[in-house]
Amino acid sequence: SAVISQKPSRDICQRGTSLTIQCQVDSQVTMMFWYRQQPGQSLTLIATANQGSEATYESGFVIDKFPISRPNLTFSTLTVSNMSPEDSSIYLCSVSGLAGVNEQFFGPGTRLTVL
Amino acid sequence: DQQVKQNSPSLSVQEGRISILNCDYTNSMFDYFLWYKKYPAEGPTFLISISSIKDKNEDGRFTVFLNKSAKHLSLHIVPSQPGDSAVYFCAASNSGGGADGLTFGKGTHLIIQP
Repeated sequence: SAVISQKPSRDICQRGTSLTIQCQVDSQVTMMFWYRQQPGQSLTLIATANQGSEATYESGFVIDKFPISRPNLTFSTLTVSNMSPEDSSIYLCSVSGLAGVNEQFFGPGTRLTVL
Repeated sequence: DQQVKQNSPSLSVQEGRISILNCDYTNSMFDYFLWYKKYPAEGPTFLISISSIKDKNEDGRFTVFLNKSAKHLSLHIVPSQPGDSAVYFCAASNSGGGADGLTFGKGTHLIIQP
């Protein structure tokens, strides 16, 4: 399996500001995804990060609020823009396509608190 | 509308006994199912998966059973160990598990009692 890291691991932010979360994998992967887990809830897919093109967003998530980049096969960023307390969540990246394996593997997550 | 349901928020099992975690789904298009284990302050860890063409998959102490007609799957852990105490998430995909995002249940908190 690969090593997946996320930065920052946690942050406390003021409403109205933006935070960019980084996801780095130590080997090339086919797919990268971004999820969030709101308090007491399950993981919800935000978008698929496409290498070299615009991300594919799930219903209820828009590019202006959650811009995503994926410049290569090992790195992606998610920005949470114009934050409000409702954005307080754990944000997780996941990857698939490691050595031909179908399953998705997750990073450690970024715990975001918006005041 | 929750497409993957884990109706037991928590489950307590004695060490050494069998733990059975259940999951139901509503979307007939799902063809791949996964179980993840999550400790606090960590990301989910992949445990075991099953394709819809199978009804059982085993990996060591973990066995997943799939009943397609009932749209139900279960994870059996035997024997249960203290390190198994964690939140377990059931997840489903309609593309083999890797090409599209996963739909998750809300999780079951498994507590292994000594």
